Amino acid sequence: LAKTTQPISMDSYEGQEVNITCSHNNIATNDYITWYQQFPSQGPRFIIQGYKTKVTNEVASLFIPADRKSSTLSLPRVSLSDTAVYYCLVGDNFNKFYFGSGTKLNVKP
Amino acid sequence: EPEVTQTPSHQVTQMGQEVILRCVPISNHLYFYWYRQILGQKVEFLVSFYNNEISEKSEIFDDQFSVERPDGSNFTLKIRSTKLEDSAMYFCASRPGQRNEKLFFGSGTQLSVL
Repeated sequence: LAKTTQPISMDSYEGQEVNITCSHNNIATNDYITWYQQFPSQGPRFIIQGYKTKVTNEVASLFIPADRKSSTLSLPRVSLSDTAVYYCLVGDNFNKFYFGSGTKLNVKP
Repeated sequence: EPEVTQTPSHQVTQMGQEVILRCVPISNHLYFYWYRQILGQKVEFLVSFYNNEISEKSEIFDDQFSVERPDGSNFTLKIRSTKLEDSAMYFCASRPGQRNEKLFFGSGTQLSVL
C-alpha cells in the first residue's frame, strides 16, 4: 500500500489559490489518487480523484505529473468555509481505503 | 445527493458494556465500511463488508468487534466489552461497487466510554 506524505498544516487567505501537495513515491501502476475533505465532527467528503495528468471538477483540480510520485490538489479562490483537513489517499484495493494524517488548511479573512 | 445515515449521533456507555452502532447505507450501494477517528487523530480503517461477509479488516478490528447486515438496509457495528480507548467518532461509509468509485460517509456516531 503506497504511503502518502502531506504537509501537516497550511495557512491561506480568502480569495487565494491553495495548492496542497502529496508525495507517494511508492505508487503502483494500478493505484488511483483520491482526495477527501473533512470538517470537524463530520465524515470525510470526496473531492476529486485521478490517475494521471490533470482532472478538474466544480470544486478543485488535481495535477499528477508523469511519474505519478506526487499529486497536487488545487483549490481556486478559497473561502473561510474551505477551512478543513484534506486527505490524500492512494491505492487500488477499494476494500480498504487508508487515510494518512492529512493537511489542516486554515483560511484566514 | 443521497446520504449515509448513522444513529445515534452520540452514545455514552459504561466500560465493559456492549454497544451497537447503526448505519443505513445508500440504497443501491454494495460495499460498506466502518472507520473510527479518535479525537485529534486521523481516520482509521476498521472493516469493509461485501456480499454479506467481511472483505478486509485492520488490526484494530479484533474479536471485540463484529459487523452485521441484519436486513436489506441496516449495517451495524457491535463493540463488545467496551474499553476507555474505544471512545472515538465512528463513521460508516458505502460505495456503489465499481472499482474506483468514491466513498460516501455518514456523519458519524460519537462514542464515549466512561
